[in-house]
Amino acid sequence: DVVLTQTPPTLSATIGQSVSISCRSSQSLLHSNGNTYLHWLLQRPGQSPQLLIYLVSRLESGVPNRFSGSGSGTDFTLKISGVEAEDLGVYYCVQGTHAPYTFGAGTKLELK
Amino acid sequence: EVLLQQSGAELVRPGSSVKISCKASGYTFTDYYMHWVKQRPEQGLVWIGRINPANGNTVYAEKFKSKATLTADKSSNTAYMQLSSLTSEDTATYFCTSLGYWGQGVMVTVSS
Repeated sequence: DVVLTQTPPTLSATIGQSVSISCRSSQSLLHSNGNTYLHWLLQRPGQSPQLLIYLVSRLESGVPNRFSGSGSGTDFTLKISGVEAEDLGVYYCVQGTHAPYTFGAGTKLELK
Repeated sequence: EVLLQQSGAELVRPGSSVKISCKASGYTFTDYYMHWVKQRPEQGLVWIGRINPANGNTVYAEKFKSKATLTADKSSNTAYMQLSSLTSEDTATYFCTSLGYWGQGVMVTVSS
């Protein structure tokens, strides 16, 4: 199975600070069809996860544009340009290129 | 508005089975795979498997092949997951998701 390694496991930030989360894959996530099925989710405390970014860099409808995704192959990054209070929670990367789907262990974003 | 409405919390005995539901609305049910995800208390997300509601084809993560059975009823736009031979390790919240949309989760507690 593909292993997704997220770093850091915990991130402390102040409001307005820009932060990045890394997601590294044990194998390339480039599918033979040319798509890279690497997505980012946010799970706020007590809530279901929500999709933020899909296919590496595409912003899900309704998600603020302070969120951005980048990367290719095995290395991917989620950036938040100016953290807001509502951004606190656990961020997960998830891959769907190789069965079974697998999730990263999560990065908890908390207020400093 | 897209909604994935899951059934209510379950308290079940060890060794028994449970079937939870996920009713989809606001989109064409057969257009998207339905995935199921497990989350144990204070832990990360684990992919169980997915079903293609259009034809019933399923893919399971290896560790859930003898644990979970996924089905879908096109006439009622509802996906189901049955979990069998329940143990304390199955105590968790279970989500249905198209990845872009998530149900509210079902808490299954296995206890005598």
